[in-house]
Amino acid sequence: NAGVTQTPKFRVLKTGQSMTLLCAQDMNHEYMYWYRQDPGMGLRLIHYSVGEGTTAKGEVPDGYNVSRLKKQNFLLGLESAAPSQTSVYFCASSDPRGLNTEAFFGQGTRLTVV
Amino acid sequence: DQQVKQNSPSLSVQEGRISILNCDYTNSMFDYFLWYKKYPAEGPTFLISISSIKDKNEDGRFTVFLNKSAKHLSLHIVPSQPGDSAVYFCAPSNTGFQKLVFGTGTRLLVSP
Repeated sequence: NAGVTQTPKFRVLKTGQSMTLLCAQDMNHEYMYWYRQDPGMGLRLIHYSVGEGTTAKGEVPDGYNVSRLKKQNFLLGLESAAPSQTSVYFCASSDPRGLNTEAFFGQGTRLTVV
Repeated sequence: DQQVKQNSPSLSVQEGRISILNCDYTNSMFDYFLWYKKYPAEGPTFLISISSIKDKNEDGRFTVFLNKSAKHLSLHIVPSQPGDSAVYFCAPSNTGFQKLVFGTGTRLLVSP
């Protein structure tokens, strides 16, 4: 029962570097989400996807890009990292067809941009 | 556009007492409300939910109350235990609502 798996768990980047965070789910969920968590700000939605090949902007999309080429994977890209992107990133997935629309989260990726 | 607000960033309670966490929302289209619990260095996990057709849902020590007219919900934990110390997020949703948004969270500390 892997659920939602995020890779990597930790990363330190220099300003201007790029990287991709990978999220994989094995529950056949249609919806997937990327959030960032910052002190006092809660969980803020970056981008989300309601199905393979579709993506949409959330509350704080600037500086990030996403792709959902396969239903089970949702990638979050940082093309040119900035110190303001230092955060903990969480991926989640959910199934909108059920009565209970709870989301399942990964363990998080702690990213530091120096 | 902050649709979900948890106005208490933190709450301290003694073991055995009641913990009450509050959440306010603005979008009247929400018809399903979830609470998540988050421990440090872990992802949030689902705790309890309530449908808008109810005003109360109970699961063991956890009860969620919904006041639709006031657009307010609360989570009661009775009795509180040290293991309940975590950050709690409320997350309103509705059928067909694609975005999943969260409140800012309330950090609960239950002391022995």
